[in-house]
Amino acid sequence: GESVGLHLPTLSVQEGDNSIINCAYSNSASDYFIWYKQESGKGPQFIIDIRSNMDKRQGQRVTVLLNKTVKHLSLQIAATQPGDSAVYFCADITGAQKLVFGQGTRLTINP
Amino acid sequence: NAGVTQTPKFRVLKTGQSMTLLCAQDMNHEYMYWYRQDPGMGLRLIHYSVGEGTTAKGEVPDGYNVSRLKKQNFLLGLESAAPSQTSVYFCASSYPGQGIKNIQYFGAGTRLSVL
Repeated sequence: GESVGLHLPTLSVQEGDNSIINCAYSNSASDYFIWYKQESGKGPQFIIDIRSNMDKRQGQRVTVLLNKTVKHLSLQIAATQPGDSAVYFCADITGAQKLVFGQGTRLTINP
Repeated sequence: NAGVTQTPKFRVLKTGQSMTLLCAQDMNHEYMYWYRQDPGMGLRLIHYSVGEGTTAKGEVPDGYNVSRLKKQNFLLGLESAAPSQTSVYFCASSYPGQGIKNIQYFGAGTRLSVL
């Protein structure tokens, strides 16, 4: 079946360092991917997206990389700040316009 | 512009009781969704709607019913609550279309405990 998963359930980084959160997907037909950030007690919030015809997309302090060969994508957060502490989800849409979410990675920023 | 609003925020039920969760959006979105989120897991789609008067089953629909009588509202019902339905429920909405047009916007969630 279709699945989207993350390599690590937790990630701790020092404030100011860069963070890399990884995600693997199984459906080679997936054509659109989204990263969401979920802070404690809140709903998921859209961060950045990428289409399957792209390898890289940059936003403000965030970059998403897509490797279709190995069905892997990553979210890079530059110069992490305390406000980046959250659970990060990758999700994909496979034409049916229904998101399939991974389990999430909890990012903790150490002072 | 409130976005997606869910009520109530918290609720405790006894096994067998019924309740309805309300989701309202003010973004004129065609599509609306109900998800549940359990500890250590991602969100799983319960039901969704692609327009007023329409509903469809998602990944985990059993034990839930939904209605979309108005475009801005999407109701999630539990007819006979079970402890397995203890979870955090999220509503989302989006425009129709592909790619960026289908970014889903989420409410703050409803935390439900069934004893």
